[in-house]
Amino acid sequence: QVQLVESGGGVVQPGWSLRLSCAASGFTFSSFGMHWVRQAPGKGLEWVAVIWHDGNKIYYGDPVKGRFTISRDNSKNTLYLEMNSLRVEDTAVYYCARDRYSSGNDAFSVWGQGTLVTVSS
Amino acid sequence: QSVLTQPRSASGTPGQRVTISCSGSSSNIGINTVSWYHQLPGTAPKLLIHSNNQRPSGVPDRFSGSKSGTSASLAISGLQSEDEADYYCATWDDSLNGMVFGGGTKLTVL
Repeated sequence: QVQLVESGGGVVQPGWSLRLSCAASGFTFSSFGMHWVRQAPGKGLEWVAVIWHDGNKIYYGDPVKGRFTISRDNSKNTLYLEMNSLRVEDTAVYYCARDRYSSGNDAFSVWGQGTLVTVSS
Repeated sequence: QSVLTQPRSASGTPGQRVTISCSGSSSNIGINTVSWYHQLPGTAPKLLIHSNNQRPSGVPDRFSGSKSGTSASLAISGLQSEDEADYYCATWDDSLNGMVFGGGTKLTVL
């Protein structure tokens, strides 16, 4: 079945780095745009970043521009999020989500279960 | 503050019809399609509506979406207790070059 499984979350101090992974299965990973979406405790959904199916287009939300890097390895069916200079306000559950299309500007049709990132001193 | 505006809460009794609004602008809802998600506590969001008014397979026809100008709406008819959840709208914003969400609406079934 179609599945997304995130990993790599944990507790880090402000200024540290962390790399999240999202393993995809049950569909042709290289045919779909992929997103990261986060949700701070008790808050709403916030879009983080998107990468087109072939990696040729990448966009970021303003709060993470210059600090986070989204990438993908289509040979490994895996999406990544490299997070640098982490701040307390980056504390959230991070979801990876598949777009409906090969681009990344339509809708989030499949979601992972999420991985918790806690930034605290 | 979210780019898309939703009411913070909505409520209804079992069997009723409720609607949730989502207001945007000419750079997002005005020119792109809207999707809707619901989220139960402690779980991942789930796609309810895409392309303004299309239901993925498996989503009951009690859920319907519409769009007019720079606003969209989600309607839930025949309200059931299991519909109690948070609901979010989303779309692409051509000015921001990114997806944007509404702040979410907490639906309570009385």
